[in-house]
Amino acid sequence: ETGVTQSPTHLIKTRGQQVTLRCSSQSGHNTVSWYQQALGQGPQFIFQYYREEENGRGNFPPRFSGLQFPNYSSELNVNALELDDSALYLCASSLDGVGTSYNSPLHFGNGTRLTVT
Amino acid sequence: GDSVTQMEGPVTLSEEAFLTINCTYTATGYPSLFWYVQYPGEGLQLLLKATKADDKGSNKGFEATYRKETTSFHLEKGSVQVSDSAVYFCALSARDDKIIFGKGTRLHILP
Repeated sequence: ETGVTQSPTHLIKTRGQQVTLRCSSQSGHNTVSWYQQALGQGPQFIFQYYREEENGRGNFPPRFSGLQFPNYSSELNVNALELDDSALYLCASSLDGVGTSYNSPLHFGNGTRLTVT
Repeated sequence: GDSVTQMEGPVTLSEEAFLTINCTYTATGYPSLFWYVQYPGEGLQLLLKATKADDKGSNKGFEATYRKETTSFHLEKGSVQVSDSAVYFCALSARDDKIIFGKGTRLHILP
């Protein structure tokens, strides 16, 4: 089975620009969660999509938005980039929900490193 | 709000030493508790979990016991190996929409 893949691996943007990050879920998974991991911090929950609908959101402003497609791949869009948006963005997929069981834990990708200058 | 606090690193040990990484949590209700591990160059992986008080999660020689009275979930291993070098994250899930992570503890094991 293929794992979670994210693209691009690295990205440099200028303050005020917009960015789109992409994630392909692990085969058979219908739930995608996005996390932001600042340097030296743990991952912070941004939002989750289940079967193409947003299914929970963390404390991030509306300029962070997402999409999930019929094949369960996903995009994270960030508008009006700020310097503090510089971080590693992690995508995680799971089956039927947040991924808290051993049978269906969260499967993380290796992340996209975004630098905003 | 819900939160996780874990000991700051880096933690440096010699091979075969005993490991403890402390983790405490604050949550309403009865959360599930997790340890995730991130090996160099790899994504986060679930290491072990516990879903109720006094449960013990274990995997790959690591153990952690859900202690409701002290709101703790300390990670332990009796004899660490160089291959255990990684960043370890304590986490909780109190609702069905998100997992809350601690800041992570970097572990270095010297041969």
